Amino acid sequence: SQTIHQWPATLVQPVGSPLSLECTVEGTSNPNLYWYRQAAGRGLQLLFYSIGIDQISSEVPQNLSASRPQDRQFILSSKKLLLSDSGFYLCAWSLSGRSYNEQFFGPGTRLTVL
Amino acid sequence: DAKTTQPNSMESNEEEPVHLPCNHSTISGTDYIHWYRQLPSQGPEYVIHGLTSNVNNRMASLAIAEDRKSSTLILHRATLRDAAVYYCILRESNAGGTSYGKLTFGQGTILTVHP
Repeated sequence: SQTIHQWPATLVQPVGSPLSLECTVEGTSNPNLYWYRQAAGRGLQLLFYSIGIDQISSEVPQNLSASRPQDRQFILSSKKLLLSDSGFYLCAWSLSGRSYNEQFFGPGTRLTVL
Repeated sequence: DAKTTQPNSMESNEEEPVHLPCNHSTISGTDYIHWYRQLPSQGPEYVIHGLTSNVNNRMASLAIAEDRKSSTLILHRATLRDAAVYYCILRESNAGGTSYGKLTFGQGTILTVHP
C-alpha cells in the first residue's frame, strides 16, 4: 500500500530564517506530487505541482521554491521566511496519467513564523 | 477551473442522514465532480467523485443533477467522526490538459454533528 510522509510535524521559525520541508511517498512510482498551503481559517491553496523529477510548476509567485530530486521525494524551501509564510503545509500525491485521479494527502506541517 | 458554491455551514444529528449541496452552474462536459473532507488538524481526505451518474461507495453517495449544474453529497448516517469541512471540487478529465489534476479548494461546508 502507498503511504506519504511529511516532516517535521510542527515548526517554529524566526522571520528571515531558511526553510526546508520534506515529503516522501512509498509504494508507488512516478506519482504526481503537490504542495498546498492552508492559512489559518482559510481553504487550501496549491503552491507547486510536479509530474516528474526536476519538473516543477509554480502556481503562485512567492518566496518559496520546490524541488524534486528523486521520483518520490518533494521538498519545499525558502531562503528567508516571511510572517505571511505561516500556515499548514500539505504534501499530496496522485497517480499520473489521469488528471482526475484522487489525491492522497500527508499529515501536514504546521509552520509558525515569528 | 469552474467554480462551486457551497453553504458555509450545516448541522446534523448523529445517525441521521446529511445532504450537503453544491452548485456548479458553469461546469463543463469534461469536469468531474470531486468531494473531499478535512477533519480538524488533518490533511484532506478523498470522499467520492463522479461525472454524470450517481455514485456510491463505503463512505457516501453522490447524487448528480441531470443537467450537472448541481450535486449533493449524502452521508447516510452521520457519526461524530463525520464532523469536518466538506469541499466540492471540479476537476478536468483531460489527462493531456495543463491542470495536471490540481485541486482548487473553496471554503467548503463546515459540518457539525450533534450527539
